[in-house]
Amino acid sequence: GNSVTQMEGPVTLSEEAFLTINCTYTATGYPSLFWYVQYPGEGLQLLLKATKADDKGSNKGFEATYRKETTSFHLEKGSVQVSDSAVYFCALTRSGSARQLTFGSGTQLTVLP
Amino acid sequence: EAEVAQSPRYKITEKSQAVAFWCDPISGHATLYWYRQILGQGPELLVQFQDESVVDDSQLPKDRFSAERLKGVDSTLKIQPAELGDSAMYLCASSLVVSGANVLTFGAGSRLTVL
Repeated sequence: GNSVTQMEGPVTLSEEAFLTINCTYTATGYPSLFWYVQYPGEGLQLLLKATKADDKGSNKGFEATYRKETTSFHLEKGSVQVSDSAVYFCALTRSGSARQLTFGSGTQLTVLP
Repeated sequence: EAEVAQSPRYKITEKSQAVAFWCDPISGHATLYWYRQILGQGPELLVQFQDESVVDDSQLPKDRFSAERLKGVDSTLKIQPAELGDSAMYLCASSLVVSGANVLTFGAGSRLTVL
């Protein structure tokens, strides 16, 4: 079946530090890959997505590249801000009629001023 | 920007009581999902609707949970009787295909505490 494995947290960084959150997946075929972000007390918001191999998704300074050869979709940002503190979820959908999202367990990021 | 509406935001109940959550998806989104998110974990799918029909409810504990979307628009998720282990965030989402990807938009969630 489909599964997503995320780097365990929590991750604590100083403001302006470089961020990497690792994500690898298991799926047959060619899934679409996503990063969602959840701020305290809120629902999940789509951060970025990629639909095919070598696609790079980007938004708000975050980016991730769909690597089929390593089945990975690592999230990166060059300079984090305090406002980036949140939980980040990697997720995938398979093509087909259901197209459900399968999530990783989430990575808590705290950015200190 | 269009949003998925959920209510209530917070619900505290005693075990063995009934509880219901409501969701109004983004207008025009035919697919609606209910997910459960236990604290510290990723969301897990409970049920998926396409219009008024259930597409997948394989992970829904049907002895106590029920979900309906009678007119293919808003949806209700019910738990009866509630158990301590049901304490979680219940997230509703609706979706649209964007650039070949099925993009889910989530509501703010309903946080349930069972005492």
